[in-house]
This record gives sequence, C-alpha cells and structure tokens, in this order.
Amino acid sequence: AQKVTQAQTEISVVEKEDVTLDCVYETRDTTYYLFWYKQPPSGELVFLIRRNSFDEQNEISGRYSWNFQKSTSSFNFTITASQVVDSAVYFCALKGIYGQNFVFGPGTRLSVLP
Amino acid sequence: EAGVTQFPSHSVIEKGQTVTLRCDPISGHDNLYWYRRVMGKEIKFLLHFVKESKQDESGMPNNRFLAERTGGTYSTLKVQPAELEDSGVYFCASSQGLEAYEQYFGPGTRLTVT
Repeated sequence: AQKVTQAQTEISVVEKEDVTLDCVYETRDTTYYLFWYKQPPSGELVFLIRRNSFDEQNEISGRYSWNFQKSTSSFNFTITASQVVDSAVYFCALKGIYGQNFVFGPGTRLSVLP
Repeated sequence: EAGVTQFPSHSVIEKGQTVTLRCDPISGHDNLYWYRRVMGKEIKFLLHFVKESKQDESGMPNNRFLAERTGGTYSTLKVQPAELEDSGVYFCASSQGLEAYEQYFGPGTRLTVT
C-alpha cells in the first residue's frame, strides 16, 4: 500500500526565517512520482513540483528547494527567507506509475508571521 | 485555456438534504478524478472516470455518493442524503493521456452539512 506522512501538523515561523516541511512516503513501486502542492487560504490546490523516482537530483526554484532522498523515502521541501504569502497548507503526494490516483499526506499548515 | 472549474464554490445544507457538485474538466481531458478533504485530514481519492466510464471507484465512501459523467464531459457528484461527516472540500482534477502523472486540480467545493 502507498502512504504519505507529513509529521508536522502546523509550523509557525517569523518572516525571513527558513523553514523545512518534511515528507516521508511508503510504496512498493520501483517507479513513482512525488509532488508538492500548496493550498492557500483561497482553497485551490497549486502545483509546485513533480519529481520522478529515478531522478534524485535536488531542485531549486527561487526561494523553494526540494531534497529527495530515496534511501530514506523522504521528499522534504524548504522555503528560504519565508514570506507572509507563503502561509498555506502544503501537501506532499505520491503517485504510482501504473495507478491513476494520488495519495496525499495530511498536509502541513505553515503560518508565516510578519 | 480554461482550467478545471467546479460549482458551487461553497454549499451549506442541512443533514438529510441532497447536494450535487459539478466539475468541468479541461477540454479534451479524458481522465476526471474526484477527491475530498474532510475536517483537516488528508485529501483522499474518491473515484476516477475515463471518459464516461468509471475506471476506479474504490474510494467512494458509501452508496450515498453517486458520481456521473454523462457524455464524457462534465461530471456531477451527488450526495443523498447528506450526513454531518460529509462536510469537507471536494476537489476535482483532470488529466490527459494514459500515464497521466499530471493532474490539474479545480478550486474545490467546500461542503458544509449542518
């Protein structure tokens, strides 16, 4: 069975601090995809990143970076110099190559205080 | 190109009433999915359509939920009769192609059952 764990339910930081959101996954598939989505207060799910299981290169996009460690089944997300607009619920998700549906983690609510 | 749209954005109904949620996928997307997030828990898969056929409805919680996708275009999700535990946010997503790792999510419908 597939499972995604986001151990941090809520995190509060002060603006300009760095923050890392943890994601640990379980799957028996050898090939799979990992995702991060952001859900701002407006409610929609905003796609942030997709990572293939065979590509362990870390990725940086502006203030966002992702650390994929296949050996520990983790796909952590770091926001550098956080801003108030980063306040949202962040979901990590897993999708098998053969299965069609996403398996989401419970989400981490990030509050960035001014 | 228009994204996935959902209607209504918010619905408040009383226990025992019926509600119908609608999802319009991105034009040309054969795959349509329903997910829901209940009371701060993880986003869970409900079902998957390929065109007008139900490919996987393993996530449907019970027979009070009925999903249709007549003509393979928009989809409706009816809850009848609604119960308190049905409150949550219902997301629709669509994708194109067999592998379909990229799913585009709609803004969600927030359902409140009182």
